[in-house]
Amino acid sequence: NAGVTQTPKFRVLKTGQSMTLLCAQDMNHEYMYWYRQDPGMGLRLIHYSVGEGTTAKGEVPDGYNVSRLKKQNFLLGLESAAPSQTSVYFCASSYEGDLATNEKLFFGSGTQLSVL
Amino acid sequence: KNEVEQSPQNLTAQEGEFITINCSYSVGISALHWLQQHPGGGIVSLFMLSSGKKKHGRLIATINIQEKHSSLHITASHPRDSAVYICAVRYWGETSGSRLTFGEGTQLTVNP
Repeated sequence: NAGVTQTPKFRVLKTGQSMTLLCAQDMNHEYMYWYRQDPGMGLRLIHYSVGEGTTAKGEVPDGYNVSRLKKQNFLLGLESAAPSQTSVYFCASSYEGDLATNEKLFFGSGTQLSVL
Repeated sequence: KNEVEQSPQNLTAQEGEFITINCSYSVGISALHWLQQHPGGGIVSLFMLSSGKKKHGRLIATINIQEKHSSLHITASHPRDSAVYICAVRYWGETSGSRLTFGEGTQLTVNP
């Protein structure tokens, strides 16, 4: 099993450009998440999904959109990139999520995004 | 919002030392995670705790629900343990629903 795969690993954008980050998991997980990690701050939730066809806003959703058309894929889109979106982005997935006692998080390797 | 505080922020140890990293949080939780972020950036889940203590190899995680505090211990530390250790808590917010809030992490460096 590959686990959680994120693409691309690195990207440089100009202000106003758009892009999509792809997250794919092969563990049949229901829950998928997009986080951003910035220096001096903990991981912050952008959007998440509790199943195919569902999405919900997290802590810092502005400027991002997501889609979960297939259970194994969770896409994060930036329609008009801004320098404030320069960050490291992590995708994660889990089987049971929320209050389940056996929740375990699996993370992708991260995407370093720079917006100039 | 649940505030998660980790201490220390940075920790340097000599190989073989016993290491403790602390995590405190402000409101009641349903679960607490300890994660390890490798120097290359990848994040791995180490433990998920809702009570008591868990052990895996040289790693031990404990949680005290009443004191809202958890500790991660590393026995016989090794340079390969050098990483950032992150605490995250799962709690229920009135307006936000179930949430996972992350600490800023503790940078551990183990010197040979």
